[in-house]
Amino acid sequence: SQKIEQNSEALNIQEGKTATLTCNYTNYSPAYLQWYRQDPGRGPVFLLLIRENEKEKRKERLKVTFDTTLKQSLFHITASQPADSATYLCALTSGTYKYIFGTGTRLKVLA
Amino acid sequence: GAGVSQSPSNKVTEKGKDVELRCDPISGHTALYWYRQSLGQGLEFLIYFQGNSAPDKSGLPSDRFSAERTGGSVSTLTIQRTQQEDSAVYLCASSLEGGNGANVLTFGAGSRLTVL
Repeated sequence: SQKIEQNSEALNIQEGKTATLTCNYTNYSPAYLQWYRQDPGRGPVFLLLIRENEKEKRKERLKVTFDTTLKQSLFHITASQPADSATYLCALTSGTYKYIFGTGTRLKVLA
Repeated sequence: GAGVSQSPSNKVTEKGKDVELRCDPISGHTALYWYRQSLGQGLEFLIYFQGNSAPDKSGLPSDRFSAERTGGSVSTLTIQRTQQEDSAVYLCASSLEGGNGANVLTFGAGSRLTVL
């Protein structure tokens, strides 16, 4: 069955460092991969989208890579700040309406 | 509206009661989605609407769950005879179009349901 894995444990990093979160998937051939941020008590908020034929996408301090051979996406936050502390979710879709979400990785940036 | 609005934000009910959860999507968004998020779990797909029709109800956990969308806008998720395992946060999202994975989902804040 289709499976998406994100680091289940929380990731703690020091302010100013680069945070790297992983999203691995099996039994799936996604056409699109999206990353969302979720704060406690709130719904997820869209951050970045990357297509299967794109290797990398950037937006300000954020960078996403997509390796369809390794079946993996990496999400980087450079110069991290305490305000970046949240849960980050990856979502895959084959190009239809059905988005499959990972369980998310909780990031804590320490001041 | 400016964002996706969900109500109630919190609902505590007794086992066996029926509950209705409401979602008001962004004006002009044709696609609407319901997800369920349990503690420590990923978002579980429940149902997708394109306009007023629901081409995919496959995610609804049982026949106690139903959803409708009227006027291509507001949607209601109804859970009949609630069970304790129905306790979760129910998230609604909308997108400008549906059927294309490049669409960005805009989520509401969710309705937290607790069944005692």
